[in-house]
Amino acid sequence: DAGVIQSPRHEVTEMGQEVTLRCKPISGHDYLFWYRQTMMRGLELLIYFNNNVPIDDSGMPEDRFSAKMPNASFSTLKIQPSEPRDSAVYFCASSEDRGYQPQHFGDGTRLSIL
Amino acid sequence: SQQGEEDPQALSIQEGENATMNCSYKTSINNLQWYRQNSGRGLVHLILIRSNEREKHSGRLRVTLDTSKKSSSLLITASRAADTASYFCAAQSSGDKLTFGTGTRLAVRP
Repeated sequence: DAGVIQSPRHEVTEMGQEVTLRCKPISGHDYLFWYRQTMMRGLELLIYFNNNVPIDDSGMPEDRFSAKMPNASFSTLKIQPSEPRDSAVYFCASSEDRGYQPQHFGDGTRLSIL
Repeated sequence: SQQGEEDPQALSIQEGENATMNCSYKTSINNLQWYRQNSGRGLVHLILIRSNEREKHSGRLRVTLDTSKKSSSLLITASRAADTASYFCAAQSSGDKLTFGTGTRLAVRP
C-alpha cells in the first residue's frame, strides 16, 4: 500500500516567495496532520483535519501560514510570504479514526528560505 | 510546548547490547506511543501502550508505562546497526493530537 506522499521533497526559494507544500494521505484515513520539525523546537503540530475539516490550527505560527484540504486525498500547506525562519522540515501524517491509532508520516519536505 | 522529554538525548552502544530510552510527560494521557525516525525520513510508529497497561512487547521492543510517575521507557534488546535512528515518545491526552518529545539519538556501532 502507498504511504503518505509529500511533494516536493526539497524546496529552496527566496524570502518573500510563496511556498506550497502538498500531501496525499493514506486512502481511508480520516485524520491529516501537518507538523514542522526544527533542531531548536523539535516536532510541532501546526494544524490537523478530520474528514477534510480543520479542527485545530492553534499551532499555525502566524497568518502567513494557511492550510487547506479540498478533498479526502489532498492537502496543501501554504506560506506567503516566506521568511528565512520558516526553514524547516515539514511533515504530513494521517491516521484512521480517532482513538488509539498510530499516525503514518510522509518523508517530509525540506524547506530552505534564503 | 513539548509534552515529553526524552532521556538521554544521545546514546551510543555496541551492536548486541541493549538500549534503554526514557520519556517523561506532564499531563494525564490516554496512551503513549513510540516512533523511530531514520535520517532524512519521516517518523515510523513502533508501539502504542494504553494508560491502563503497564508493559508491552513487540519483537525486540519492550515498553513500560508508569502513570504514577508520568514516565515510560523503551528497551531495544540485542541492538543492530540498523537500529541507529532517533526515537521519540508521543503522548496522546484529550482530543486527537499527539505531543512529541524531544527525542533520543541512538547510534549502534557495528
